[in-house]
Amino acid sequence: QTVVTQEPSFSVSPGGTVTLTCGLNSGSVSTSYYPSWYQQTPGQAPRTLIYNTNTRSSGVPDRFSGSILGNKAALTITGAQADDESDYYCVLYLGSGISVFGGGTKLTVL
Amino acid sequence: EVQLLESGGGLVQRGGSLRLSCAASGFAFSSYAMRWVRQAPGKGLEWVSAISASGGSTYYVDSVKGRFTISRDNSKSTLFLQMSSLRVEDTAVYYCAKRGDPLYFDYWGQGTLVTVSS
Repeated sequence: QTVVTQEPSFSVSPGGTVTLTCGLNSGSVSTSYYPSWYQQTPGQAPRTLIYNTNTRSSGVPDRFSGSILGNKAALTITGAQADDESDYYCVLYLGSGISVFGGGTKLTVL
Repeated sequence: EVQLLESGGGLVQRGGSLRLSCAASGFAFSSYAMRWVRQAPGKGLEWVSAISASGGSTYYVDSVKGRFTISRDNSKSTLFLQMSSLRVEDTAVYYCAKRGDPLYFDYWGQGTLVTVSS
């Protein structure tokens, strides 16, 4: 069974930089998995941040960026702000119409 | 403006059935694949099902295969999820999402809560 892995939690200081990662239990993540990233605050629907590895969704600040780092997809937040405190989810497309979410990373800004 | 509005959630007993709807507006519904994603209380997001633009191809996570059926009515710009043989572990907020290109979720509804009681 394919499992998409994310750090359960991460902490960053205001103004700092943090990189969240998205891996696969069965190998390396590449652009062929079309990694995308979503932000969710409690009680709200997810918000799309990044798609196709590194393309920012409309209206997303450029302090959010996506990439492939080593064998994982990565979401980097540069100059973290208090309202970046959220849950972040990556999604990988496995083919045959199937997508899989990672378990999510709870980001604390303090 | 793209809008997705889910409805049909509620409280149902284990083994029961429920049909969710997602009314879409603001885009050419018949041109886009659609998805259902769920989130159990206090848990992460889980992809549940997907359907092609025409409705001719459907896909499911293993845990709902044979119990859930995704469908769409392009004439009414509406997506459906027929859920049967419901289990307690199906309790979740169910979101519909539009597929963006390439292969991501570009718009989300606000979700509808399904609670399965034992």
